[in-house]
Amino acid sequence: EPEVTQTPSHQVTQMGQEVILRCVPISNHLYFYWYRQILGQKVEFLVSFYNNEISEKSEIFDDQFSVERPDGSNFTLKIRSTKLEDSAMYFCASMGQIDAKTIQYFGAGTRLSVL
Amino acid sequence: RKEVEQDPGPFNVPEGATVAFNCTYSNSASQSFFWYRQDCRKEPKLLMSVYSSGNEDGRFTAQLNRASQYISLLIRDSKLSDSATYLCVVSQASGGSYIPTFGRGTSLIVHP
Repeated sequence: EPEVTQTPSHQVTQMGQEVILRCVPISNHLYFYWYRQILGQKVEFLVSFYNNEISEKSEIFDDQFSVERPDGSNFTLKIRSTKLEDSAMYFCASMGQIDAKTIQYFGAGTRLSVL
Repeated sequence: RKEVEQDPGPFNVPEGATVAFNCTYSNSASQSFFWYRQDCRKEPKLLMSVYSSGNEDGRFTAQLNRASQYISLLIRDSKLSDSATYLCVVSQASGGSYIPTFGRGTSLIVHP
C-alpha cells in the first residue's frame, strides 16, 4: 500500500533555531497538507498546498512557517525561529480520490521538541 | 468559528459490548465526513468515510444526519484492539481544495 513518509521521526532543537521537516507524499496525489498536534490536544490544520502554491492556511501558519516542494517529490515545512510552543507532532498528509471520495493519508509524523 | 465537537470520553466498555459515538459540526456547508482512528502517539488512520445514506464496514456503522448536523459511529462486538481515540473529521471545499476540521476525539477503552 502506498504511504506518506516523513523524516525525521524526532527532531530536537534549541529555541530560536530553524528546522525543516520533510515529507514524501504519495506519488500520484496532488494535494498536500501539514498539520500539528500538541500533546493531548486535537489535530490542527496548518496549510494546504496545490499546484506548487499554498491554497489555504490557518491562523497558526504565520510568517515563521513556510512550505516548499523543491524537487517534485519532497514537501517540506520550515519553521524559521522555533519557539517552545512549537513543540508538537507534525503530520504531513496527501490527498487522493477513492470511489469519488477525497481521502487523506497521513504520514507517521515528526515529533518536534523545542528546548 | 467552524467547529467539530466530540465527547472526549473515555468510554470504558467490556469486550463484546456495543458502543456509539456522536459528533456535531457547525458548518452547514460541510461536504465530506470521516471517522479516523488514532492510537497513542501515532498518526490518524482512516477508519471509514460517512455517506449520506449511512454505511457499514464489518462491525462499524456510520450515520450522517445533515439536518441536525451530526455524524455517528457504532462499534459492535468491541475488541480489545478497538481501544484508541476516534476522530471525527469534517471537510468543506475551499477554492478547489478540501480543508478538514478535526474533532478532539473520543477515547475508547475496551477491557477484558
